[in-house]
Amino acid sequence: GESVGLHLPTLSVQEGDNSIINCAYSNSASDYFIWYKQESGKGPQFIIDIRSNMDKRQGQRVTVLLNKTVKHLSLQIAATQPGDSAVYFCAENSQTGNQFYFGTGTSLTVIP
Amino acid sequence: DVKVTQSSRYLVKRTGEKVFLECVQDMDHENMFWYRQDPGLGLRLIYFSYDVKMKEKGDIPEGYSVSREKKERFSLILESASTNQTSMYLCASSRLGGNSDFGPGTRLTVT
Repeated sequence: GESVGLHLPTLSVQEGDNSIINCAYSNSASDYFIWYKQESGKGPQFIIDIRSNMDKRQGQRVTVLLNKTVKHLSLQIAATQPGDSAVYFCAENSQTGNQFYFGTGTSLTVIP
Repeated sequence: DVKVTQSSRYLVKRTGEKVFLECVQDMDHENMFWYRQDPGLGLRLIYFSYDVKMKEKGDIPEGYSVSREKKERFSLILESASTNQTSMYLCASSRLGGNSDFGPGTRLTVT
């Protein structure tokens, strides 16, 4: 099957610093990628997505970068805030169907 | 905004009981999914459905079944609950080719 993995399982950053969360994927045919945020006791929430015809997409304080050459995805959070503390998942969608594949998640802790 | 609701936030059942987990979405999404989430294992797909009365096995369908009689509702059934099915269960829905929206999850404990 496909695999989606994260380089670091935990990340701690100082409030106000920028955060970078990384993700590797294995299926070069995947064409749609999503980042989710999951706070404790809640379901995952959509943050930002990117399709394979782009290499960068920006949202409010977040940027997703896609490097198809090395099959790498990253999420950058600017000026990290305590409310950003959560587990972040990347997900990829295979062109063969509607099924998403999720990484195991990176736990981000923001230190006040 | 899409709203995905799950029938229970917390559930405690005994081994051997039949368990029903209900999920409802209100945005007319074609696709619906059931995942379980366990520490260190991430989200694993149990079943998904891309249309009414249609279902596809995910990565870990053993011990589970599903039902989708109406477009907005996708039910997960544990025919005979076992302790290794203690987990967080997440339902999600999506349009074709779109991102998945998740419900709040049901934390199931089987004793």
